[in-house]
Amino acid sequence: ETGVTQTPRHLVMGMTNKKSLKCEQHLGHNAMYWYKQSAKKPLELMFVYNFKEQTENNSVPSRFSPECPNSSHLFLHLHTLQPEDSALYLCASSQGQDSSYEQYFGPGTRLTVT
Amino acid sequence: GQNIDQPTEMTATEGAIVQINCTYQTSGFNGLFWYQQHAGEAPTFLSYNVLDGLEEKGRFSSFLSRSKGYSYLLLKELQMKDSASYLCAVRDSNYQLIWGAGTKLIIKP
Repeated sequence: ETGVTQTPRHLVMGMTNKKSLKCEQHLGHNAMYWYKQSAKKPLELMFVYNFKEQTENNSVPSRFSPECPNSSHLFLHLHTLQPEDSALYLCASSQGQDSSYEQYFGPGTRLTVT
Repeated sequence: GQNIDQPTEMTATEGAIVQINCTYQTSGFNGLFWYQQHAGEAPTFLSYNVLDGLEEKGRFSSFLSRSKGYSYLLLKELQMKDSASYLCAVRDSNYQLIWGAGTKLIIKP
């Protein structure tokens, strides 16, 4: 595997379910990110981890819970979601958080909440 | 508040040139990025500008004017595979990336 991988690619869940999204980066990067992408809206940064420590939480509802066990893996735990949480969830990584470092994105998980 | 503006959609002809504009108002500036995103795929990095001027990379060029809060992405010799969304993002004083909603570029034969 190379780059940034995400599983599952598609997920349908009910509002009372609990599920987890997984992200893995094979680039030796130190920073990892979760984004939400809704149609025709800007990417919304949800969480940032740098060297496994959470450095950003952009007022994300507590029904989204991130976990970063090491610098290569990132999880997003989901519970009691709402239909408006349906979106594409993208994971990204970068060498660091300094200005010139571009982010490398995974293919995303298309989440549908019914 | 922080804001990135870019056109929602543009149409161009195969073989032609197209310019996608991006204007921004952010708290501080630590660089501007352009990404390409094909439908159903991950965004991929195209260019990075931190100083004023033009950066050229093959058929793609990106320009920045920090005093005007303005950038553009120039695509030359358009190919059908260039049909995609183009995302502009600015890194603010806290090193957070602020994203535009993207410009969907449609290439016609």
